[in-house]
Amino acid sequence: EAQVTQNPRYLITVTGKKLTVTCSQNMNHEYMSWYRQDPGLGLRQIYYSMNVEVTDKGDVPEGYKVSRKEKRNFPLILESPSPNQTSLYFCASSPGADRVSGYTFGSGTRLTVV
Amino acid sequence: SQELEQSPQSLIVQEGKNLTINCTSSKTLYGLYWYKQKYGEGLIFLMMLQKGGEEKSHEKITAKLDEKKQQSSLHITASQPSHAGIYLCGADRGRTGGGADGLTFGKGTHLIIQP
Repeated sequence: EAQVTQNPRYLITVTGKKLTVTCSQNMNHEYMSWYRQDPGLGLRQIYYSMNVEVTDKGDVPEGYKVSRKEKRNFPLILESPSPNQTSLYFCASSPGADRVSGYTFGSGTRLTVV
Repeated sequence: SQELEQSPQSLIVQEGKNLTINCTSSKTLYGLYWYKQKYGEGLIFLMMLQKGGEEKSHEKITAKLDEKKQQSSLHITASQPSHAGIYLCGADRGRTGGGADGLTFGKGTHLIIQP
């Protein structure tokens, strides 16, 4: 089944403890993005990647890092999480040229930082 | 930066009734996407519009993009409980072209279907 897989689905962590949220897609998609969703603020883009080793900042990149060493994986790294990073996170991928099929989203990771 | 304004923010509709959700952009839309989200879950792609005046349908849902490519509407005919959820419009960010830099989203429309 074609899908974007995020892990974990739920995570509670403490302030300052480094964590990684993994994202993997099995569709050979070129483009990948990370978003966070917060009540009243909607979905905001954190980082995006056009291809392997090509990444760039979105609207809210502070406190996050990403890497794209392989086409299928696009992990989101929080080096020193803070409570204001408590949010619902989504990874998404797109084939690139075929935009008509849209971005495929993962099921989300609900992160709580205490 | 591009902003997408959705209206209404929330909508309560009696089952069987028709409804329309609007999405207005501050800039020309090069790609407009409609998604549906169940609360706390992932986004489900509905359809994508690119050309001015374009209209697409899937089951009982029809989306249109106006000629000026700054406004889109999503119309649901004969609503059912399965239509309940959050509807989001998204647009190509357009910084690099071709949708490579992801999407910017409206804040969503919460749709409740009353039996």
